[in-house]
Amino acid sequence: YVLTQTPSVSVAPGQTAKIICGANNLGSKSVNWYQHKPGQAPVRVIYDDNDRPSGIPDRFSGSNSGNTATLTITRVEAGDEADYYCQVWDSTSEPVLFGGGTRLTVL
Amino acid sequence: QPHLQESGPGLVEPSETLSLTCSVSGGSISVSRYYWAWIRQPPGKGLEWIGTTHSGGSIYYNPSLRSRISMSVDSSNNQFSLQMNFVTAADTAVYYCARDTVSEGMDSWGQGTLITVSS
Repeated sequence: YVLTQTPSVSVAPGQTAKIICGANNLGSKSVNWYQHKPGQAPVRVIYDDNDRPSGIPDRFSGSNSGNTATLTITRVEAGDEADYYCQVWDSTSEPVLFGGGTRLTVL
Repeated sequence: QPHLQESGPGLVEPSETLSLTCSVSGGSISVSRYYWAWIRQPPGKGLEWIGTTHSGGSIYYNPSLRSRISMSVDSSNNQFSLQMNFVTAADTAVYYCARDTVSEGMDSWGQGTLITVSS
């Protein structure tokens, strides 16, 4: 089972960024999203498809249906520039899977 | 949220064994709803899951690393560990430990420790 992410997304400040995670029948699984900035620990920004941990701005939201999960960041700020990873628990021989990551660049 | 802190040697020689420990404070490692994971990031690459363990004894390993790794939980000292045998330069990475809620993802992470494999 493989989670596929577009390597990079670029967006201007104030615009909306959509980061895609794709896999077969992904909608049947629970998807988590992490933000990872250089030199820092990854931070969970969305869990269980569309729930937001306390302290994460409501500009971050998630959805998951069919073969695609999407992390949406509205009103993008310079501080959102980071790598974003999707992740699932899968009931196979490799239960924890990360996507390859998407680098969000704020123009 | 608990605080997680990785500790390790920094530099390991090829073919030797890497030993890492994650110390957990501000919460018990024996709480049944939590699992404990190791993840790494090689230079210029993405996150790679290494393995996950539980105080109750369950252990899950990345199949690509299974033959070289072992994980354990030390409940008395509130820490968990990773051993990786026969390391090579490809094992050079920042290694993170994390608390995994499974259904709600990894909600707490250590700051990471850089491990370099070199002679």
